[in-house]
Amino acid sequence: QVQLVQSGGGVVQPGGSLRLSCAASGFNLNIDGMHWVRQAPGKGLEWVAFLRHDGTTKYYADSVKGRFTISRDNSKSTLYVQMDSLRAEDTAVYYCVKNYLGYFFEVWGKGTTVTVSS
Amino acid sequence: EIVLTQSPGTLSLSPGERAALSCRASQSVSTNYFAWYQQKPGQAPRLIIYAASSRATGVPDRFSGGGSGTDFTLTIDRLEPEDFAVYYCQQHGGSLWTFGQGTKVEIK
Repeated sequence: QVQLVQSGGGVVQPGGSLRLSCAASGFNLNIDGMHWVRQAPGKGLEWVAFLRHDGTTKYYADSVKGRFTISRDNSKSTLYVQMDSLRAEDTAVYYCVKNYLGYFFEVWGKGTTVTVSS
Repeated sequence: EIVLTQSPGTLSLSPGERAALSCRASQSVSTNYFAWYQQKPGQAPRLIIYAASSRATGVPDRFSGGGSGTDFTLTIDRLEPEDFAVYYCQQHGGSLWTFGQGTKVEIK
């Protein structure tokens, strides 16, 4: 059974850093691409970052480019996003998501909440 | 960046009625790269339609997707109580993925 278990959310001050983790089971991270998608309180969905299955390609939304870094550790079957220089507008529920057919979001983690506030 | 605009913002319907949701793209989108998601309160979204008209695994056949180019639709025939939720359209182009702002289907 494909499952994504997320951890690492919390409250951080503006300008601070946080790393989110997403442990995958039931499939290999090096076979499927993975995404991070976020949802600000009461708002819609916003794609954040993508990591290609072979690790060769990373894409980022303009809103996080240069501040967030997506990565993975195949030995731990875990996806990460390192979030630096956090801003109030980064406050959201962050979902890790397994890619489907290269274009879609198939399996979603339960989400982890990040709050950027002083 | 392709912008997706969904309408209406809220759809108030009764169980058993048909829901018709619209998603308009600012530029032409390949049907191969277009999808719809359902999100219920407190839950992660769920993929329901991909490649514009293909139902994801386990999705009832009362859900159907259509359209091409810049205009796409999601139709839900005979609304069931569990169908009342927020629906998002999504597209992939180049190195970006974008979502519409969502349509809430609520019980009238």
